[in-house]
Amino acid sequence: NAGVTQTPKFQVLKTGQSMTLQCAQDMNHEYMSWYRQDPGMGLRLIHYSVGAGITDQGEVPNGYNVSRSTTEDFPLRLLSAAPSQTSVYFCASSETGTGDGYTFGSGTRLTVV
Amino acid sequence: RKEVEQDPGPFNVPEGATVAFNCTYSNSASQSFFWYRQDCRKEPKLLMSVYSSGNEDGRFTAQLNRASQYISLLIRDSKLSDSATYLCVWGMNTGFQKLVFGTGTRLLVSP
Repeated sequence: NAGVTQTPKFQVLKTGQSMTLQCAQDMNHEYMSWYRQDPGMGLRLIHYSVGAGITDQGEVPNGYNVSRSTTEDFPLRLLSAAPSQTSVYFCASSETGTGDGYTFGSGTRLTVV
Repeated sequence: RKEVEQDPGPFNVPEGATVAFNCTYSNSASQSFFWYRQDCRKEPKLLMSVYSSGNEDGRFTAQLNRASQYISLLIRDSKLSDSATYLCVWGMNTGFQKLVFGTGTRLLVSP
């Protein structure tokens, strides 16, 4: 199994550009999440989904949109990139929705200039 | 006050040493606790869950002290491969667990 696949691995954007970070899982997990990780800070939850068609905001949702049209895919959209969105983004999926069931993708390193 | 606080380290220890990390948390509501491991520029991976009664997995022992609001991780007989950042994590016990991550404690094990 591939697990959780994130693309791209690296991306440089100009301020104001939009883009979509892709996340796909092949484990048929209902729960999926997006986190960002910044130096000196723990991972912070951006958005999450408890099943296809159901999404909700996390701790730092501003500037990001998500949708969950299928169980497998949970893309994260940056509407108008800002330098403050420079970060490493991790997608995670979970069968149980509990902290001992998370599988993380390998991350996307995003730089906004 | 941060919800989860950890000493960032680094903790520099020789192979074979025993090392312990603590993590304090501020939310006294019912939660579950975990230790995750993160290698440099890699994704976090679950190391172990933390139970009130304490739990052990090989060389790793985790403890939870709800009265003092801290959890601990003890690593015995450190290996070079234990070099990583250890993340203290908690999640509320309400349906889907939104995880709250600490900033991590960096461990460097040297020959």
